[in-house]
Amino acid sequence: EVQLVETGGGLIQPGGSLRLSCAVSGFTVSSNYMSWVRQAPGKGLEWISVIYSGGITHYADSVKGRFNISRDTSKNTLYLQMNSLRVEDTAVYYCARGLLLTTRRGDAFDVWGQGTVVTVS
Amino acid sequence: DIQMTQSPSTLSASVGDRVTITCRASQSIINWWAWYQQKPGKAPKLLIYKESSLQSGVPSRFSGSGSGTEITLTISSLQPDDFGTYYCQQYDRNSYTFGQGTKLDIK
Repeated sequence: EVQLVETGGGLIQPGGSLRLSCAVSGFTVSSNYMSWVRQAPGKGLEWISVIYSGGITHYADSVKGRFNISRDTSKNTLYLQMNSLRVEDTAVYYCARGLLLTTRRGDAFDVWGQGTVVTVS
Repeated sequence: DIQMTQSPSTLSASVGDRVTITCRASQSIINWWAWYQQKPGKAPKLLIYKESSLQSGVPSRFSGSGSGTEITLTISSLQPDDFGTYYCQQYDRNSYTFGQGTKLDIK
């Protein structure tokens, strides 16, 4: 069964660091592009980072220079290292799998985890 | 950066109604759009990708159309389980952007 399970959220003070994990099952983390998407309380979805199968990474301007996305193929796990956390980073953080079509990326996300809550206060 | 405007922000409709949600981009999008449904306390669920392709397992009453700067999600006959918030999403130059969301209530 294809599944994503996020862990690592919690309460952290401003300026602190936290590492989120997304355990992948049912497929290989490096075979797909993977993203982190967050949702502040009562707000909409905000994409924050992607790692492509070749290892290239990209970030939203709101987290660039503070967050780092990575993966460990031996553990089949995706990570999000979050540094210099701000109150406005408070959100539910989801990991999501990129949709793959036969000939190209689908530019959408077809599998999502249940989310992990990060509170910066 | 491309700006996206989703409308309406809230919508109340009755079972059996035809419902339409629109997303408009500030400039032409050459890549594909997607639509998601999110219920309270749950992760988003992919409904439509590549503007009009129905994700596996999604009921056929959901459909997507449009191109260029405007796309539309249509629910042909609203069902009680269709409540939730709907988001459009597009990709451009290594960045993914979601619309602000449309909260759909069932009357």
